[in-house]
Amino acid sequence: AQSVTQLGSHVSVSEGALVLLRCNYSSSVPPYLFWYVQYPNQGLQLLLKYTSAATLVKGINGFEAEFKKSETSFHLTKPSAHMSDAAEYFCAVAHNTDKLIFGTGTRLQVFP
Amino acid sequence: SQTIHQWPATLVQPVGSPLSLECTVEGTSNPNLYWYRQAAGRGLQLLFYSVGIGQISSEVPQNLSASRPQDRQFILSSKKLLLSDSGFYLCAWSGRQGNFPGELFFGEGSRLTVL
Repeated sequence: AQSVTQLGSHVSVSEGALVLLRCNYSSSVPPYLFWYVQYPNQGLQLLLKYTSAATLVKGINGFEAEFKKSETSFHLTKPSAHMSDAAEYFCAVAHNTDKLIFGTGTRLQVFP
Repeated sequence: SQTIHQWPATLVQPVGSPLSLECTVEGTSNPNLYWYRQAAGRGLQLLFYSVGIGQISSEVPQNLSASRPQDRQFILSSKKLLLSDSGFYLCAWSGRQGNFPGELFFGEGSRLTVL
């Protein structure tokens, strides 16, 4: 069965600092992996996706994630946090199906 | 371009009352449609999934039901709400052609509070 684990339900960083949100997946076959962002009281929007074309995936708003098969990880990073990055971030996995399995989310706070 | 609409945005209902949340998609045909529930600290739980009119897959046993009376309309219902039905409900769609598995487009959500 597929699943994702997001380590840390809350992450706090200072504006300008590195953002690192962790995601580990469990899948018996190569997965499709995603990061979604949710701003308060809104739906989710896609940040980036891994489809096996390249292990380093660049997304919107300066975010990127690296697929590491040996570590079964797909951590999300951004070199310099901005106040507008404060939101909840969800990692998700799918395998040849349209059904996404989401992690429990990580709330990112950015302090001035 | 494709859009997805959900309503109502906010709903406060007493225990035992019925529920109807509606979702419509515009600008695409024959989409896959989904209902997710988001409860505090529990991430997103897939409730229902539909690949076509009248075709509904239930992912978890629960007090809720879903229907798809038209190609781009997805309705979430309950005959009698429970306190545990409170949460943020999200409708989503994905395409059949040109989208690889899993790229979902979400509505703005419906926040349900059961008192």
